Order: sequence, then structure tokens, then C-alpha cells
Amino acid sequence: QVQLQESGPGLVKPSETLSLTCAVSGYSISSGYYWGWIRQPPGKGLEWIGSIYHSGSTYYNPSLKSRVTISVDTSKNQFSLKLSSVTAADTAVYYCARISSSLTDYYFDYWGQGTLVTVSS
Amino acid sequence: SYVLTQPPSVSVAPGQTARITCGGNNIGSKSVHWYQQKPGQAPVLVVYDDSDRPSGIPERFSGSNSGNTATLTISRVEAGDEADYYCQVWDSSSDHPYYVFGTGTKVTVL
Repeated sequence: QVQLQESGPGLVKPSETLSLTCAVSGYSISSGYYWGWIRQPPGKGLEWIGSIYHSGSTYYNPSLKSRVTISVDTSKNQFSLKLSSVTAADTAVYYCARISSSLTDYYFDYWGQGTLVTVSS
Repeated sequence: SYVLTQPPSVSVAPGQTARITCGGNNIGSKSVHWYQQKPGQAPVLVVYDDSDRPSGIPERFSGSNSGNTATLTISRVEAGDEADYYCQVWDSSSDHPYYVFGTGTKVTVL
């Protein structure tokens, strides 16, 4: 059974960089699949942040692209998110997920439990 | 950017059928995926590729997609189906493919 677990600081100061890690168990990242980050502000909907392949190729949400970096560490079987210059608008529950594919499309089939990150001084 | 529109809320009595729509420009040409999210929990995939169900998802959950509207149908609704539901597509039409979620629908079981 694939399991994902987010970790990182729950409180980040404005203008600083948010850093989160997603540890994957039950599946080796180096075997394939894309892996992604999604966030959800309190009381609001889901927003895709970006995705990474085990090879390191990345796709980012154009609205966040200038501030986002996603990387992968296959030796630790984990991938990470960095979001720079954060503001209160970045306060959200951050989820990591595995991206599965059919012949023509992609969807999120396994999710972490999510971690709340609050941006506040 | 591609926009997916869902009704904010749907109410249904136990045992009845709930239909949740997801509107998008020519969405019928895309594959639509649906997630269920209960309070304080991560989303769970309930339908993928318009109408397929992951293992463990009851047959009561079904999907369809045509024209400008995709629909998630929950038959014989139970109290445990009360949750927020989101549709999602992968938009590959631009130079940089990205994932789009719908605005979400809160299903209330009366």
C-alpha cells in the first residue's frame, strides 16, 4: 500500500520560504510515476502547485511558478516543495500526492494526510 | 486558463440519487476525475477517466461526461456520503500542461 507523509514547519514568517517534504513508503519513487503538491486554503478549494517525475522533470502552476521549486531525492524516497516569499495568502493545508495515468490522462490516486502551514509573524 | 464550475451545494435525502455537475468548455473532450473530501481528511479518488472506479469504491458512485458538462452520480445516498466533491481535469492544451480542480460541491444528506 502506497503511503505519503508530509512534514515541515507549521508556521512560516511572511517573506520567508516555506519548505515541506513528502516521504513515500510502499513504492519506490525511482520506479516511475509523477508526484505532486496540492494546497487548500482554509474553507476553500484545491489548487495544484506543481509536479515532478522521478527523473527530476517538473511542471508548475503558472500562477506560482516564479516562487516554486520541487525536487526529488530518490535515495531517501522523498520529494520536496519550496515556496518563496510567502504571504498570508499562502496559508493552507498542503498535500502531497502520487499522480497516476491512464492512456490519455493524469489524476491523483494516493494522497498524504496533509499539513497545515500558517504564514504569520 | 481552463475553468471548472460546480454548484456550491447539493442536498439529497437518504436513499435518493445525488447528481453533481462539473461545467467546462468542451469538457466532453477531456477525461474527468472526481474526489470526495470529508471534513479534516485528504481527498479520496472516487471516479477516474469519466466513469471508472478505483478498487474499494462502491458501485453507487458513477460518472458521465459529454458536451460541456461532466456529472458524478451517487445512487442510494447514505449518510456517510456527506462530503465535499471536486472534479479535476488535466489541461494539456497549453504549452505547459497543468491540473485544474473544480470549485467544489458540498453534498448534504438530509
